Amino acid sequence: EPEVTQTPSHQVTQMGQEVILRCVPISNHLYFYWYRQILGQKVEFLVSFYNNEISEKSEIFDDQFSVERPDGSNFTLKIRSTKLEDSAMYFCASSKPGQLYNEQFFGPGTRLTVL
Amino acid sequence: AQKVTQAQTEISVVEKEDVTLDCVYETRDTTYYLFWYKQPPSGELVFLIRRNSFDEQNEISGRYSWNFQKSTSSFNFTITASQVVDSAVYFCALSLNTGFQKLVFGTGTRLLVSP
Repeated sequence: EPEVTQTPSHQVTQMGQEVILRCVPISNHLYFYWYRQILGQKVEFLVSFYNNEISEKSEIFDDQFSVERPDGSNFTLKIRSTKLEDSAMYFCASSKPGQLYNEQFFGPGTRLTVL
Repeated sequence: AQKVTQAQTEISVVEKEDVTLDCVYETRDTTYYLFWYKQPPSGELVFLIRRNSFDEQNEISGRYSWNFQKSTSSFNFTITASQVVDSAVYFCALSLNTGFQKLVFGTGTRLLVSP
């Protein structure tokens, strides 16, 4: 069964460093999402992406964040200069068009720790 | 704006007890979708169920059942004869039928099932 994959599973970085979190969505999916979950808190929407551009973003998704689909398979989230408060689990999700509801399939997450 | 409230932060039960997790949602839209996700200690998000706003039929799947009531804007989840493996954080979520259908999550309920 196809699934969304994310790498790395855990990333540790120093404050101020840039990080890139990688996701491989399900191959025939066209809508892509990033969500964030700070430890012990709820899952929060960051951004949705379609047709090589951002469709919607939350207030969390400020200028420090960017997303890209550099090739036909990867979908990345970049944080330019990490802060301590960026420490969280980051989930990628994807969905395909053509249905009444575009069910989102979640990846296993990347745990980001900023020291 | 949409909002999901899970008032129960943590519930502790003994194995074989029944337990109900509450979820109350807010939206002005008439078409929307409601979800329950399970997050075990390993951290991934496991999809449990989706209901659309036009389908108020209760659903049963094995030991799981869901009670959707539009009149009270609630979508409660009951686990019958709980087991230790049910221990997890459970999230209720809402999505509209417009745009790219981001998920709005509640704060989650941590369920602890002891032997």
